[in-house]
Amino acid sequence: QKEVEQDPGPLSVPEGAIVSLNCTYSNSAFQYFMWYRQYSRKGPELLMYTYSSGNKEDGRFTAQVDKSSKYISLFIRDSQPSDSATYLCAMGKAAGNKLTFGGGTRVLVKP
Amino acid sequence: GAVVSQHPSWVICKSGTSVKIECRSLDFQATTMFWYRQFPKQSLMLMATSNEGSKATYEQGVEKDKFLINHASLTLSTLTVTSAHPEDSSFYICSAGTSGSYEQYFGPGTRLTVT
Repeated sequence: QKEVEQDPGPLSVPEGAIVSLNCTYSNSAFQYFMWYRQYSRKGPELLMYTYSSGNKEDGRFTAQVDKSSKYISLFIRDSQPSDSATYLCAMGKAAGNKLTFGGGTRVLVKP
Repeated sequence: GAVVSQHPSWVICKSGTSVKIECRSLDFQATTMFWYRQFPKQSLMLMATSNEGSKATYEQGVEKDKFLINHASLTLSTLTVTSAHPEDSSFYICSAGTSGSYEQYFGPGTRLTVT
């Protein structure tokens, strides 16, 4: 069993819809959580990070962490075709340490 | 956010030759850099972690004599693929972070093709 599980998708939504992404993890040692967006043949781009349970909002993006359930989510409001990409969740145990990535979810926003 | 660059962005080399990939943090000092490889439609696979001035720590199964990593300064790390073979063809990505910080910032990646 992988430490971090993420549905590979693809997840197809119409433009303007809410995109809902999630990851589950098994290791309670993970203390901080990140979401990256990766376009084809590009490096991942950091979207959001958080290190506590609860919600964090940044523009159209909302990240949720539920440490008790070992479950994290990312919501994208008012989705645009430019949001079509692969979204990776990542988790770490301490600052400066390596990250453990989910397998990524491919998202397609249709105009 | 912080900016990380990689050079070259794309390289083709012949089997048996060596290739060096550079990773630079442009606007911050990176105490730690990470090297990943990624196959098509797959997630990132961590190869090694390097701290400035120290030897790199390689993940299990990664040949340290084949993938030489040097982190000589707080802004530069290099990955050298020695005696490259076609199975080394992949997308190589670096990321950089600072001590005490959770965030890691990725470079744009280097596509290596070995013929």
